[in-house]
Order: sequence, then structure tokens, then C-alpha cells
Amino acid sequence: GAVVSQHPSWVICKSGTSVKIECRSLDFQATTMFWYRQFPKQSLMLMATSNEGSKATYEQGVEKDKFLINHASLTLSTLTVTSAHPEDSSFYICSASRRAETQYFGPGTRLLVL
Amino acid sequence: QKEVEQNSGPLSVPEGAIASLNCTYSDRVSQSFFWYRQYSGKSPELIMSIYSNGDKEDGRFTAQLNKASQYVSLLIRDSQPSDSATYLCAVNAQFVWGGSQGNLIFGKGTKLSVKP
Repeated sequence: GAVVSQHPSWVICKSGTSVKIECRSLDFQATTMFWYRQFPKQSLMLMATSNEGSKATYEQGVEKDKFLINHASLTLSTLTVTSAHPEDSSFYICSASRRAETQYFGPGTRLLVL
Repeated sequence: QKEVEQNSGPLSVPEGAIASLNCTYSDRVSQSFFWYRQYSGKSPELIMSIYSNGDKEDGRFTAQLNKASQYVSLLIRDSQPSDSATYLCAVNAQFVWGGSQGNLIFGKGTKLSVKP
């Protein structure tokens, strides 16, 4: 149990384009989903927390207009990187939890912006 | 500022030995503690969760929690080369009144290397 998937697993895009990443909890209903970013050889950095049906809460320094998060259902959250630039290239990882319990991570999405 | 501290390592142990990973946290009211393993290039994978003082064993892994000392550790017995990874300690963030905020505070991780 507690399987979280992400799609796509990797994406290469041109600078200025937008990229959407999906995060799904496959076998449980996730009341809360989290989005993290990890640069090479660095620790996980929480970007935002989203609860189903409400607006995401962004961490300090994370631009909400650039990283659009939608948590439309208890099993799906999406992160859209708008007008991506090379500095947005990173490993994006989502996690899901139910009722503020253990977080289960998705496999991550590698984004490369050329 | 709530913090979770880990020795970054690398911690190198020979195959078959016990690896001991340590973590301290600053938020005295934290109630939930987690150890995640992250292989290079992969996302974190949950190994153990612990909520009460004392030891919790799962196979070769033992988590130890001491809330008075604000200290949580992970012991890996009979270490294998496949255990080589970065181990992340995570603590559940709490509101002042004790309710869970839901998000985790992660340490920077300890890199473990098990030599054959």
C-alpha cells in the first residue's frame, strides 16, 4: 500500500515553455500533498503544501505564480512550472499523506530546461 | 526556527558491521519521527517511523527515540553494500498547541557507505 506515482519521470523542454507534472496516490486518498525540489548533491527543499480543494501554501522564496499547484482531488495534484528557465532544472518530487500522517514519496520528475 | 540536525558523513562501515545514524531536533513538541533512505538519483523511501520513546525494530533496522534528549537514531545491523545511500531523518512539524502541521522537517541527510 501507499504507492505514489509521478508523471512524467523526466522531461526536457525549451526555455520559456510550461511543464506540468502530475502526482497521484494510487491506493489511498491523500488529504495533503507536498512538492519538493532537490538540486544535485543538496537536500530536499519543500516548495509547497497542498490540501485537496484549497489553495496551496508556498514556502518562503517560492514564487506561487511560477509554480502553479492544483490539488483537484484526493488522489491527484499537479505542479506546473510556468515559463521555465534553465535555473528551474531540478529533480521535482511529490509526496502524499492522509490526515497528517506519514508522507510517501513519488519517484520524482527530472526537469531539464534548455 | 525548527531544525533537524544530522552529521553529513560520509559514514563508512565494513560489510556486516552495525551502522549507527544519529539525528537531533529542536522542536520539543514533535511527536512523529521518520527515517527515509535515498539512493543517488532516486526519491526518498520510508524505512521506519517511530512515535514513542524507546526502540522499534524492523528486520535489520532499529529506530531509537529519546524525546527528553530530542534525539533519534537508526541502527542498521549486518550492513550490506546495498544499504549505501543517504539517510534522511524527518520530524513532523507541530503547531505550538501540539496539533500536527502535516509537513515534515528534514535533516540534510547522512551519507552511508558500506564497503564490501
